Amino acid sequence: DIQMTQSPSSLSASVGDRVTITCRASQSISTYLNWYQQKPGKAPNLLIYRASSLQSGVPSRFSGSGSGTDFTLTISSLQPEDFATYYCQQSYNTPPTFGQGTNLEIK
Amino acid sequence: EAQLVESGGGLVQPGGSLRLSCVGSGFTFSDYWMSWVRQAPGKGLEWVANINQDGSGEYYVDSVKGRFTISRDNAKSSLCLQMNSLRGEDTAVYYCARPNRVESRHSFSIWGQGTMVTVSS
Repeated sequence: DIQMTQSPSSLSASVGDRVTITCRASQSISTYLNWYQQKPGKAPNLLIYRASSLQSGVPSRFSGSGSGTDFTLTISSLQPEDFATYYCQQSYNTPPTFGQGTNLEIK
Repeated sequence: EAQLVESGGGLVQPGGSLRLSCVGSGFTFSDYWMSWVRQAPGKGLEWVANINQDGSGEYYVDSVKGRFTISRDNAKSSLCLQMNSLRGEDTAVYYCARPNRVESRHSFSIWGQGTMVTVSS
């Protein structure tokens, strides 16, 4: 199975900050990488698919990049509603696997 | 608007069985691969199983192989997960999930609200 490793595991930031979360795959996954946001008690929400494609309805302050084994999720200017947990996930093969999550907290 | 609604969770003893259901609406259910994804309390996301559009292909994470069975009824726009020989480590919120495009399997854009399964004596 492909292992996905996110860093950092937790992050404190302020409204208006630019934030970057990284995700590394244990083998090349081309651009088969998705990013999700999850708030407590809620289902995950797809933000980015195929590494850099913005899912419909997601604000443009979210962006993704990368290919092969290294990927990033960037939030250009944090808004209060962005404080949540973020997961990367590879969709290159079965089983699809998730990173351990990055908890983004208010500083 | 596409929507998924799960049901069937609850408290079950170790070694017991439970059947989860998920009903889709607002989209052509038979066009999509469907998956179950779970999340143990305070933990991350784990994909459990998926099934192809006509139900002829099923895949499972190793930890549930031989114990869980995924199935679908396209006429009823429903997805099921039969869980047997349940263990404490199966305790989790179980989500059904649909990919964002017909040709995709694992980019999940539609999720149910989740149903809690607790395995405990």
